[in-house]
Amino acid sequence: GAVVSQHPSWVICKSGTSVKIECRSLDFQATTMFWYRQFPKKSLMLMATSNEGSKATYEQGVEKDKFLINHASLTLSTLTVTSAHPEDSSFYICSASSRWRGANTEAFFGQGTRLTVV
Amino acid sequence: QQQVKQSPQSLIVQKGGISIINCAYENTAFDYFPWYQQFPGKGPALLIAIRPDVSEKKEGRFTISFNKSAKQFSLHIMDSQPGDSATYFCAGGVYNNNDMRFGAGTRLTVKP
Repeated sequence: GAVVSQHPSWVICKSGTSVKIECRSLDFQATTMFWYRQFPKKSLMLMATSNEGSKATYEQGVEKDKFLINHASLTLSTLTVTSAHPEDSSFYICSASSRWRGANTEAFFGQGTRLTVV
Repeated sequence: QQQVKQSPQSLIVQKGGISIINCAYENTAFDYFPWYQQFPGKGPALLIAIRPDVSEKKEGRFTISFNKSAKQFSLHIMDSQPGDSATYFCAGGVYNNNDMRFGAGTRLTVKP
């Protein structure tokens, strides 16, 4: 299957700082990328959907000014957690899909990024 | 946001046994139902998926059963192996969008 890579795999940051997480599609052009958040032993909660070249669509309850998403190219989307606080500590996962004949293809997931805010 | 309900929360099965995980969805617009396997510290990996035009799909030891009228679908893992021990998530979504909603997950433990 297609490869989606996230970087970093884990990061520890101080409260009040910002952290950027990258999601790259390595062998296909990702027209759409999704960002999820997963708490320990919990399900994946969709945070936002981003389409290349346009603004991300955020799910209800997700602060767009806190979680900045940029999808500047067909192979890269970034999630920046601004002014991080301990409650932002979580496992963040991206997925990416491309379009084929007008329809989105299967979405492939990255390996996730564990963020710990101290 | 929890539009897909999954049970059980955890499941313990003996090696060689059958593991069964059930899901129910609410949104009738959903037409794509994948199952994902996730190991600790890793992202989910697609295991098998089904569209509503069929009632069953089998790939190796993994089978999805789908009941459109009941809005339910289930994953059966035949001849379960210790290597199958992982968390399994069902999901529902609109096929063209890949905008999926995930179930709460089932932690499967297969005992040798």
